[in-house]
Amino acid sequence: QQQVKQSPQSLIVQKGGIPIINCAYENTAFDYFPWYQQFPGKGPALLIAIRPDVSEKKEGRFTISFNKSAKQFSLHIMDSQPGDSATYFCAASINSWGKLQFGAGTQVVVTP
Amino acid sequence: DAGVIQSPRHEVTEMGQEVTLRCKPISGHDYLFWYRQTMMRGLELLIYFNNNVPIDDSGMPEDRFSAKMPNASFSTLKIQPSEPRDSAVYFCASTSGLAGTYEQYFGPGTRLTVT
Repeated sequence: QQQVKQSPQSLIVQKGGIPIINCAYENTAFDYFPWYQQFPGKGPALLIAIRPDVSEKKEGRFTISFNKSAKQFSLHIMDSQPGDSATYFCAASINSWGKLQFGAGTQVVVTP
Repeated sequence: DAGVIQSPRHEVTEMGQEVTLRCKPISGHDYLFWYRQTMMRGLELLIYFNNNVPIDDSGMPEDRFSAKMPNASFSTLKIQPSEPRDSAVYFCASTSGLAGTYEQYFGPGTRLTVT
C-alpha cells in the first residue's frame, strides 16, 4: 500500500515548458517532503525539500507548492531544459531521520 | 568525500546462490539505509541503521534477506538463497542525524540479476 501517490507516471514537454508533478498523501504525521531526481544508472539525489509550515519553496528553476489542507504537494520545473530529463520521486517522512516513503516516480522527458 | 560506495556494481548469479552486497557510507554519517528499486514496486526501504544498530527492518521481504553493520564504515546486505524475483537495483544511502539536514545521499547502486 503506497503511502504517497504520485502522478503522472510520465511526462513529455518541450524545452522551456513547465512540467508539473503531483503527489498526495494521507498520513498527517508526515512532516518532511523531499523531491529526488534520478538519472539512468545513478542513485537518486535530493533536489529540493519542504516542511508543512511553508506553502512554497523555490530553488533555482525548481519550485515545490504545498497544500496542507488538501494533503498534496507538487513540483514545478520552470524553463525546463533537456538536461532535466530524469525520473523524479516525491517522498515523505514522519519526524525521523529519514524513513522515507517514496512515490512511484515520474519520468520526465524534455525535448529540444 | 567519495560519496557512498557500493560494490559490486553488477552481480549476476544463479538461483539458490548466496549474494552479498556491500556499502561504505559517507564518513561521519550515522544513519545507513538499504533500498531496493524495481519497476513494479518502485523504491522500497528494506532496513535502516543508526549508529550501526538496526532500527527498522520491517521492509526486509523474507528471512532470506539479512543485513549487518559491523562498524560505522561498512554494511552488507545478504540474500541466501537468492531467487529470480530478487532481481533489482539495490541502493545504499547514508545521512547525518547530527547535521539536521535529513538529506539522504545515495550510492550508485548494485544491479542484481538472479537467473
